[in-house]
Amino acid sequence: NAGVMQNPRHLVRRRGQEARLRCSPMKGHSHVYWYRQLPEEGLKFMVYLQKENIIDESGMPKERFSAEFPKEGPSILRIQQVVRGDSAAYFCASSKTPGADGTFFGQGTRLTVV
Amino acid sequence: SQELEQSPQSLIVQEGKNLTINCTSSKTLYGLYWYKQKYGEGLIFLMMLQKGGEEKSHEKITAKLDEKKQQSSLHITASQPSHAGIYLCGADGSGGGADGLTFGKGTHLIIQP
Repeated sequence: NAGVMQNPRHLVRRRGQEARLRCSPMKGHSHVYWYRQLPEEGLKFMVYLQKENIIDESGMPKERFSAEFPKEGPSILRIQQVVRGDSAAYFCASSKTPGADGTFFGQGTRLTVV
Repeated sequence: SQELEQSPQSLIVQEGKNLTINCTSSKTLYGLYWYKQKYGEGLIFLMMLQKGGEEKSHEKITAKLDEKKQQSSLHITASQPSHAGIYLCGADGSGGGADGLTFGKGTHLIIQP
């Protein structure tokens, strides 16, 4: 049973480009969470999705950021018109049900905006 | 909003020694998670505590939850080089896990041979 799979592991984008980060949850998990880890800061919650629905996006910046978790395929975190401040490690996590049995994280995608 | 404070921020321990990391919440803890992060890598789930007074162990790592104090501690016995990394506590402050976890800033653990 593969763990949470994120790709790419490293992503370099020029300012103004779009970044797409993918996350495939663990088998049997229908709850997906995205977190951002900035240098010198802890992990910050961004968005919580359940298949085809955004449950909580209170941690998402209001502009340029969007997330989806379609019926088929991975969850996508999309950042439009990236800026240098978007450079961070983005982690995806999944769980079978909210708050139960633990939440498992992927290896992260390290986004560098140049 | 809930905040988690971890102490110490960093820790250097000689191999074979015991150590304790603390995590204190500003609000009621409904669930407390401990993760380990190797530098530049993802988070590895260690254990989850839900009930006051609960204590769980995995190999040489033991975690306890003091619900009244809104605090959890992670104790490592006879530390090994493989224990080095960043330890993060995460809390579920909603009671249902529905809105993600709030994390502390982490404790950087270095094991000296």
